[in-house]
Amino acid sequence: QSVLTQPPSVSGAPGQRVTISCTGSSSNIGAGYDVHWYQQLPGTAPKLLIYGNSNRPSGVPDRFSGSKSGTSASLAITGLQAEDEADYYCQSYDSSLSTEVFGGGTKLSVL
Amino acid sequence: EVQLVESGGGLVQPGRSLRLSCTASGFTFGDYVMSWVRQAPGKGLEWVGFIRSKAYGGTTEYAASVKGRFTISRDDSKSIAYLQMNSLKTEDTAVYYCPRQLFTTGGMDVWGQGTTVTVSS
Repeated sequence: QSVLTQPPSVSGAPGQRVTISCTGSSSNIGAGYDVHWYQQLPGTAPKLLIYGNSNRPSGVPDRFSGSKSGTSASLAITGLQAEDEADYYCQSYDSSLSTEVFGGGTKLSVL
Repeated sequence: EVQLVESGGGLVQPGRSLRLSCTASGFTFGDYVMSWVRQAPGKGLEWVGFIRSKAYGGTTEYAASVKGRFTISRDDSKSIAYLQMNSLKTEDTAVYYCPRQLFTTGGMDVWGQGTTVTVSS
């Protein structure tokens, strides 16, 4: 059971908007620690998609955006494309555990 | 080019040891926190541990699942991070990655291709 909770799967049609939630607690997201998001395409290493809750590394399309509120965070993908089909993970730091923590991952299917 | 290359994986029997290496290039290795993250077959990402930069004491933290069995170290002169894995269990079977972080609690912005560890008799 992951410290950060994500839905196992989400889906959307090309061009649509989808969101992926990441729910934590008062010892991680709620304590003010940043949330980061990763995209893992099939058979490849994870790639940093969003850092510091809402910042995009160079090269990441602005179709991807992140937000955080209270003990939760969200990743939004607009203008869904077939190549967005991947697993997405959120990550933060937990002060009770003194460890980094990942969400269980969300599989995005583009219908 | 900024790059991380993991190596040292392989097939090992339960109870045995294995040491993984993470060789960095293209950046000032000593400035970064180096984490180890693993992914069991068909499963999600699991943080294993990290080692802080020397500027922050070079100290380590570990996930509960590996504490006391795994040890992370670094050699800044060679730009290499190590993961010493002792008393291996079948549940340690995974692809192991060594992403870098500018600071603890930060994002992991560079990842290698990973190295596969299989623990089986």
